[in-house]
Amino acid sequence: GEQVEQRPPHLSVREGDSAIIICTYTDSATAYFSWYKQEAGAGLQLLMSVLSNVDRKEEQGLTVLLNKKDKRLSLNLTAAHPGDSAVYFCAVTHDSGYNKLTFGKGTVLLVSP
Amino acid sequence: EAAVTQSPRNKVTVTGGNVTLSCRQTNSHNYMYWYRQDTGHGLRLIHYSYGAGNLQIGDVPDGYKATRTTQEDFFLLLELASPSQTSLYFCASSRGQGNYAEQFFGPGTRLTVL
Repeated sequence: GEQVEQRPPHLSVREGDSAIIICTYTDSATAYFSWYKQEAGAGLQLLMSVLSNVDRKEEQGLTVLLNKKDKRLSLNLTAAHPGDSAVYFCAVTHDSGYNKLTFGKGTVLLVSP
Repeated sequence: EAAVTQSPRNKVTVTGGNVTLSCRQTNSHNYMYWYRQDTGHGLRLIHYSYGAGNLQIGDVPDGYKATRTTQEDFFLLLELASPSQTSLYFCASSRGQGNYAEQFFGPGTRLTVL
């Protein structure tokens, strides 16, 4: 089955710096790619998602890049602020299944003032 | 926005105990999921369903049963709880595939098995 590796497991940056999280996946049929954010004591919330026909998507200080050749998905927080401190997960799926997501193990991001 | 609620929010039981975790979604989503979240493992899918009466086995189903009684309600049952099932459990729902694959998560249930 699909394997997803996420790195780094922990990331500390200063306010205003960029923070980059990377996931690699194994199944070339993967068609849906997403990033979720989990704040302390809460469930996950979708940040951004892309389908396999999109290489780059930007929204509100976030950039998602998809490199299908290398099977790599990245999330870039271009100017992180303390409110971005949370756990981030990538999640991918095939489009032929029942929307069964495979999650990375998460990255704990700490943004210090 | 989808509303997913879970109950109880916290539960403590003993080894061998019987536990039912409840999940309700109010946005008419077809798909519902149960995950467990453990440090070092991320989220792992236990069971999921694409409609009332349907049940699909996830990636870590051992020791768990689930039942989808209505479109809104999805239950996770631990009939003989073990300490290895101590975890944070999340329920989620979604409309479906492609552009509708976003999953909406509940707030979680923290289960402790002594």
